Amino acid sequence: SQTIHQWPATLVQPVGSPLSLECTVEGTSNPNLYWYRQAAGRGLQLLFYSVGIGQISSEVPQNLSASRPQDRQFILSSKKLLLSDSGFYLCAWSTGARNSPLHFGNGTRLTVT
Amino acid sequence: DAKTTQPTSMDCAEGRAANLPCNHSTISGNEYVYWYRQIHSQGPQYIIHGLKNNETNEMASLIITEDRKSSTLILPHATLRDTAVYYCIVRRGNYQLIWGAGTKLIIKP
Repeated sequence: SQTIHQWPATLVQPVGSPLSLECTVEGTSNPNLYWYRQAAGRGLQLLFYSVGIGQISSEVPQNLSASRPQDRQFILSSKKLLLSDSGFYLCAWSTGARNSPLHFGNGTRLTVT
Repeated sequence: DAKTTQPTSMDCAEGRAANLPCNHSTISGNEYVYWYRQIHSQGPQYIIHGLKNNETNEMASLIITEDRKSSTLILPHATLRDTAVYYCIVRRGNYQLIWGAGTKLIIKP
């Protein structure tokens, strides 16, 4: 069966520091991968998605970037964190089939101080 | 953009059917309706999705009106573990899910 791993689960970082969040998927090949952010009490906002290695689409201009160095690895990064980057970051995967459901990891709660 | 409207919160007695409504009056003809739920501090869990026919799986049933402007998620026998925030979502294209604020469902013993 397929599994998705995100780490760390929680992170506290000072303003101006760099960020690297990692997500890996097991049990499937060539998945679509996604990064979402969720503000407190709100729905999810799509940040990036990827349909293959090195292919990244950005949905919202921001202080963050994403990379996909391997087929089942997706990384969310920032060079300098802002206070507004605080939130709950979720990685998800789906198959390439149209309208296949997304399956989410358990997220990283990031607090920028 | 198609978006959804849900009640902010609902209660349901344990063992009864929980019926969660959703309005999506601006949905386009090829946009699917998805339901997810999220237990506090966890990632959203996929429940079910549909286009225009009613759907059923081991977790729930999805009833979509004929005009597709609204839908209802039915949890047939709610348990305390079904307490969560339930999101009704319209899928635009293959990559974009339009999320609202969801319904907080509380199952009471």
